[in-house]
Amino acid sequence: EAGVVQSPRYKIIEKKQPVAFWCNPISGHNTLYWYRQNLGQGPELLIRYENEEAVDDSQLPKDRFSAERLKGVDSTLKIQPAELGDSAVYLCASSSFRAYEQYFGPGTRLTVT
Amino acid sequence: QKEVEQNSGPLSVPEGAIASLNCTYSDRGSQSFFWYRQYSGKSPELIMFIYSNGDKEDGRFTAQLNKASQYVSLLIRDSQPSDSATYLCAVKRRYGKLTFGQGTILTVHP
Repeated sequence: EAGVVQSPRYKIIEKKQPVAFWCNPISGHNTLYWYRQNLGQGPELLIRYENEEAVDDSQLPKDRFSAERLKGVDSTLKIQPAELGDSAVYLCASSSFRAYEQYFGPGTRLTVT
Repeated sequence: QKEVEQNSGPLSVPEGAIASLNCTYSDRGSQSFFWYRQYSGKSPELIMFIYSNGDKEDGRFTAQLNKASQYVSLLIRDSQPSDSATYLCAVKRRYGKLTFGQGTILTVHP
């Protein structure tokens, strides 16, 4: 069974530029999460989807971040415009509905210069 | 106060020894407790999780909960160099979000 797929794996952009990350969850997983992990810290939840619905986006900086999960499968996280402080690893995870286990993708390492 | 706190380490143990990793949490409503392992440059991988009603042993790993003290521990017996990684503690309310600590770096030296 394929795991969570993310792309790109690495991205380097200049500040004020836009960037987008893509995630394909494990087949059949209704719940999808986007996390941000800063160096030396644990992952921090940005947004959680149950199917197409964003049920927890309280930590998403809505002035510059946006996310969508069309058709309840793939998801895209966008930052526009990027700031230096956005440099981090962006992790996507998925789980079955209300399951305890979350499975993480390989992440996208973003560097903003 | 952080919701989940861990000692960043690094914790260094000799091969074959028991490694003891700990975390404390502040939300008394937390009902499930997780330990993830993260190798350098990789994503977190779930090792095990326990509910608020008991401890669990799985191979060389044992997770323990002290609910009164709001304290979770992970014991790794017969530590191997391949166990060297960052260990992330996370807690969750029943249907809430997973909240992670900052992780403890474990180094097992031959």
